[in-house]
Amino acid sequence: KQEVTQIPAALSVPEGENLVLNCSFTDSAIYNLQWFRQDPGKGLTSLLLIQSSQREQTSGRLNASLDKSSGRSTLYIAASQPGDSATYLCAVRGSGGSNYKLTFGKGTLLTVNP
Amino acid sequence: DAGITQSPRHKVTETGTPVTLRCHQTENHRYMYWYRQDPGHGLRLIHYSYGVKDTDKGEVSDGYSVSRSKTEDFLLTLESATSSQTSVYFCAISPGLGNYEQYFGPGTRLTVT
Repeated sequence: KQEVTQIPAALSVPEGENLVLNCSFTDSAIYNLQWFRQDPGKGLTSLLLIQSSQREQTSGRLNASLDKSSGRSTLYIAASQPGDSATYLCAVRGSGGSNYKLTFGKGTLLTVNP
Repeated sequence: DAGITQSPRHKVTETGTPVTLRCHQTENHRYMYWYRQDPGHGLRLIHYSYGVKDTDKGEVSDGYSVSRSKTEDFLLTLESATSSQTSVYFCAISPGLGNYEQYFGPGTRLTVT
């Protein structure tokens, strides 16, 4: 059974700092990995999707990397801003017969202080 | 944002009553999903659909049923609501045809008293 772990559970940083959020998964047979952002009381917003054959994806100040063999992904946020404060979730999609299913981590609550 | 709406957005109901939540999409995506989100458990898949009238169970499907009679609508029914079904329910969609990126709706907060 796939398990996804996100460390740390919470992170508080001053504005302008670069930061890294971590995601690890137990089964390396994945189809892709997706990073989401969730604001309080809101739905999830897709940030980046990395296919299993890719090593990284970039969107603006965000860069996500994937090391499938070691079961790890990182989300790098450059020059953090107070508006980046949210919960960040990673999710992996299984390959083969389980490729319909996303398994989610429990998230990292990020607070960026002005 | 992907065109996904959920209704109702908030609902309070009593134990034992039936409840239906609706997810509506305007993207013509093939796949639709229902998740629930609970503190300490994160997001868990309840049911999903891979086409009209084609549905299957997720990891926490007991006590829930679904129907999809049109591409754009995916209904989640709690036949007899219990307090353990108090949660926030999210609908998600993905295009299929090799593109499995998921897009989420705004959620429905359900309280069963």
